[in-house]
Amino acid sequence: DGGITQSPKYLFRKEGQNVTLSCEQNLNHDAMYWYRQDPGQGLRLIYYSQIVNDFQKGDIAEGYSVSREKKESFPLTVTSAQKNPTAFYLCASSIRASGSSYEQYFGPGTRLTVT
Amino acid sequence: AQTVTQSQPEMSVQEAETVTLSCTYDTSESDYYLFWYKQPPSRQMILVIRQEAYKQQNATENRFSVNFQKAAKSFSLKISDSQLGDAAMYFCAYRSGYTGGFKTIFGAGTRLFVKA
Repeated sequence: DGGITQSPKYLFRKEGQNVTLSCEQNLNHDAMYWYRQDPGQGLRLIYYSQIVNDFQKGDIAEGYSVSREKKESFPLTVTSAQKNPTAFYLCASSIRASGSSYEQYFGPGTRLTVT
Repeated sequence: AQTVTQSQPEMSVQEAETVTLSCTYDTSESDYYLFWYKQPPSRQMILVIRQEAYKQQNATENRFSVNFQKAAKSFSLKISDSQLGDAAMYFCAYRSGYTGGFKTIFGAGTRLFVKA
């Protein structure tokens, strides 16, 4: 079955530690995205990538980093510089990034709790 | 910058009844796409319906339909014959139709409760 996997589903870390969230897709999509979801707010874009070895900052990139070494994978690192990292993180992909009606497909999400 | 507003944080509907979720957006563009996504308790986001701005006809997907009013910049979702499985968060979203329009902008969401 084609889809997006995110692991782990729940993640706990101590303050000051970096943590990497995994996102893998087998849909052969060019574009991948990371969103953060907080209660009472919609999804906010952290980073996106239109093609391998290229990525751009979204609206709330501070304290986060990404890589796109393979088309299938787009891991997100939450660094110790992120002031409020506890949140639900969603990874998504789409056939192309720009100017299309193609919807985004989402992974099941990772709930990160930092104490 | 484009914005998406969902003015109803919560809505409630009786099973088998009809409910309409509101969404307004602000843009100066003429080419764009609008979406409704559903996020059930599992938190898996699922596309419900999409609308291309250049199409005058309102999109329909089984029990789900939209009322797209381009001039008013309104994009409401109507759910007919509501079912218990429709209970979820619903997000309205906007995406530019121009090259470089990579970003999908989401509203804050409306939580729908379905009463048996």
